[in-house]
Amino acid sequence: SQTIHQWPATLVQPVGSPLSLECTVEGTSNPNLYWYRQAAGRGLQLLFYSVGIGQISSEVPQNLSASRPQDRQFILSSKKLLLSDSGFYLCASTGTDTQYFGPGTRLTVL
Amino acid sequence: TQLLEQSPQFLSIQEGENLTVYCNSSSVFSSLQWYRQEPGEGPVLLVTVVTGGEVKKLKRLTFQFGDARKDSSLHITAAQPGDTGLYLCAGAAGNYKLTFGKGTLLTVNP
Repeated sequence: SQTIHQWPATLVQPVGSPLSLECTVEGTSNPNLYWYRQAAGRGLQLLFYSVGIGQISSEVPQNLSASRPQDRQFILSSKKLLLSDSGFYLCASTGTDTQYFGPGTRLTVL
Repeated sequence: TQLLEQSPQFLSIQEGENLTVYCNSSSVFSSLQWYRQEPGEGPVLLVTVVTGGEVKKLKRLTFQFGDARKDSSLHITAAQPGDTGLYLCAGAAGNYKLTFGKGTLLTVNP
């Protein structure tokens, strides 16, 4: 089965600072990868997904970006964080019609 | 745009009671997943249902996929405090993405 690693687990950043969250996957090859944001323990909002190296699809306009430099590595970035970027960020990887989630990163922007 | 409506949003019950959570849509899904999430952690897959009318049991949890593959239910028998968490349903429609419901926050009081 797949194992998804995310780091850091917790991050506190000032408004206007850059961001880099990393996700790596073990136990599979050529997975579809996803970044979600979850607010206040509720539903998941899909931010980006990738079906291959260098292929990124954005779901919502925002000041975040994503990159996939390697098959099992997915990075979420921002050049300047906003207060509204605070939240719980989850990386996911696919099995067949199923997604497996990482442990998440709690981001607080002050 | 595909939507999944989950109900109820919040549920607080006593240990030993039964409960049912519903997930409804006007769209057809090729499969539907149920996840359980604890605070500060990523969602954990409970089950995937694929066939219309399918029923799957996982100990005290019973999952059903509607005949038309537009809805699903999760029934928990004799709930325990360890069942407390956020329950999320998600539907797959063959386009690399899952559509998530907003979740049902279940609290089982001892």
